[in-house]
Amino acid sequence: AQTVTQSQPEMSVQEAETVTLSCTYDTSESDYYLFWYKQPPSRQMILVIRQEAYKQQNATENRFSVNFQKAAKSFSLKISDSQLGDAAMYFCAYRSAGGGADGLTFGKGTHLIIQP
Amino acid sequence: NAGVMQNPRHLVRRRGQEARLRCSPMKGHSHVYWYRQLPEEGLKFMVYLQKENIIDESGMPKERFSAEFPKEGPSILRIQQVVRGDSAAYFCASSPTSGDTHNEQFFGPGTRLTVL
Repeated sequence: AQTVTQSQPEMSVQEAETVTLSCTYDTSESDYYLFWYKQPPSRQMILVIRQEAYKQQNATENRFSVNFQKAAKSFSLKISDSQLGDAAMYFCAYRSAGGGADGLTFGKGTHLIIQP
Repeated sequence: NAGVMQNPRHLVRRRGQEARLRCSPMKGHSHVYWYRQLPEEGLKFMVYLQKENIIDESGMPKERFSAEFPKEGPSILRIQQVVRGDSAAYFCASSPTSGDTHNEQFFGPGTRLTVL
């Protein structure tokens, strides 16, 4: 079974600074997808960014980018120019690309605090 | 295009009662997933359904929990004889069969179940 580990229960960053959230995972599969979801106090799960394991290029979405290290099974999220609206829980998630196991496996989350 | 709809948003039940949680996927989506989030935890996969079929129920507790996705109408997650440990947020997600976003899951706002 796959596991996802987020080793930082809480992170704090000054507004406009850059912060990196860590995520590692364990799998024996070679093809899979990785995601970062944001959960603000409203509890709505919002997709931030996704990465296909077969792609070497790191995904980028505006101020959000990932550092995907397949050999190290690491998938960190970098948020540049942090804004107050970025404050939320961030969850890293894994999904198999093979048939059958389509459910997402989530980490326990990192609580991101933005200091004004 | 309306997003994933869940109702009710909040549900209070006494121990021993039944809880019924509903999920209407996004228009054109035929895959539905249910997740449970305990306090201070990440989401845990419960079940994956397509119309009239349960595809993967590996995350469902063996007793008291059931799920369906009928040909017509919303998907239902049913919890019989609820206990205090069932108190959690239950999220539904949907995904399309094909297209650019077929590997993404779009989440509803969740139903927060409180068992007294």
